Amino acid sequence: DAKTTQPPSMDCAEGRAANLPCNHSTISGNEYVYWYRQIHSQGPQYIIHGLKNNETNEMASLIITEDRKSSTLILPHATLRDTAVYYCIVRGNSGYSTLTFGKGTMLLVSP
Amino acid sequence: EPEVTQTPSHQVTQMGQEVILRCVPISNHLYFYWYRQILGQKVEFLVSFYNNEISEKSEIFDDQFSVERPDGSNFTLKIRSTKLEDSAMYFCASRQDSNQPQHFGDGTRLSIL
Repeated sequence: DAKTTQPPSMDCAEGRAANLPCNHSTISGNEYVYWYRQIHSQGPQYIIHGLKNNETNEMASLIITEDRKSSTLILPHATLRDTAVYYCIVRGNSGYSTLTFGKGTMLLVSP
Repeated sequence: EPEVTQTPSHQVTQMGQEVILRCVPISNHLYFYWYRQILGQKVEFLVSFYNNEISEKSEIFDDQFSVERPDGSNFTLKIRSTKLEDSAMYFCASRQDSNQPQHFGDGTRLSIL
């Protein structure tokens, strides 16, 4: 699976959009970009995933660049409960494809 | 919304004892996983399980570890003779098929004394 690079921490004001970047320059054609988050001491929570098109669900939007070498997770109106570590993970969808977690980005949402 | 359920939430065990961590995956899921997270460190993959057999395992998953799906609903992780370094959060995850994401439980905190 391709490696990802994320900033170690980011701050966001409550109510504003949080834009979390991820670089994955070695991504291959059949690999998806997955985003998970981990709120303190809880299990990782799935947020969204995509291959090459932008994706949106009730939690977030995922913007993938045309060359697929980077992506941005957007939380449109961050709340205090969105404070968490956010993981960007690249993996194929074939077979058993395990998840390789990095250190992620610690997002702190402040009032 | 269906959830992955793990029990107990906290397990305290003496070093050298056997421990069994239990998970109930989401009911129509076919792929099952165990991960662990030592305090302050990354989430690490241990093992994946599909069609009643181990499909992949990491270096961490040595002969002290085993997994089982004893019936149609439970998925267990057994550590035969626990060591101090086994203290960690253990997360179970399940996935419906290859095009779907893994969903995690809230973990069991294992403390070895």
